[in-house]
Amino acid sequence: EIVLTQSPGTLSLSPGERATLSCRASQSVDSSYVAWYQQHPGQAPRLLIYGASNRATGIPYRFSGSGSGADFTLTISRLEPEDFAVYFCQQYGGGSPRRTFGQGTKVEIK
Amino acid sequence: QVQLQQWGAGLLKPSETLSLTCAVHGGSFSAYYWVWIRQSPGKGLEWIGETTHRESTNYNPSLESRVSITVDASKNQFSLRLNSVIAADTAVYYCARGCYPNDNGGNQLDYWGQGILVTVSS
Repeated sequence: EIVLTQSPGTLSLSPGERATLSCRASQSVDSSYVAWYQQHPGQAPRLLIYGASNRATGIPYRFSGSGSGADFTLTISRLEPEDFAVYFCQQYGGGSPRRTFGQGTKVEIK
Repeated sequence: QVQLQQWGAGLLKPSETLSLTCAVHGGSFSAYYWVWIRQSPGKGLEWIGETTHRESTNYNPSLESRVSITVDASKNQFSLRLNSVIAADTAVYYCARGCYPNDNGGNQLDYWGQGILVTVSS
């Protein structure tokens, strides 16, 4: 199984600040199949980034993804109030089970 | 406008069968594949399995002996059955749409159902 480890567990920032979230895989994964999701309490996850760096439809430019191999990053350039949420990374195709998620990073208001 | 609407029983006793259905409104049912995910406080997001519109399925090995995903393409619906539930199956269950690979990536889940909390308790 490919384990995705996200860090930090919690990120305490103020609106307007930059957020950098990390996702590290236990082995190299296909970056084409790396995605990031945002989840607010009581809601379903929402797709932000796919193919490691492509913004999904309707996702603001302040969200960007990067990385390759086993290290991936989600960056939020300037936090808006609605960005305070939990973020998950996901990979597909490597190992068994074929789809795994990170444990999440909570971005909270400082 | 794509919407996934899911329903099913929310309270089960141990050993009973979990049964959920997801209806897809909008978009092409055959151009995507269909996924079940669950989320519990203890295990985070867990992939249960997925199916094509022709019911070609793949399951999480940890659940494979108890899970079945079926399709009713005439209704643009797909369903999840999980047999012999235990307390550890308590979770919010989501259906989602999976994207086939293209030049920009693939296998992301671009639309999700609203989620159903399933509680297993005697």
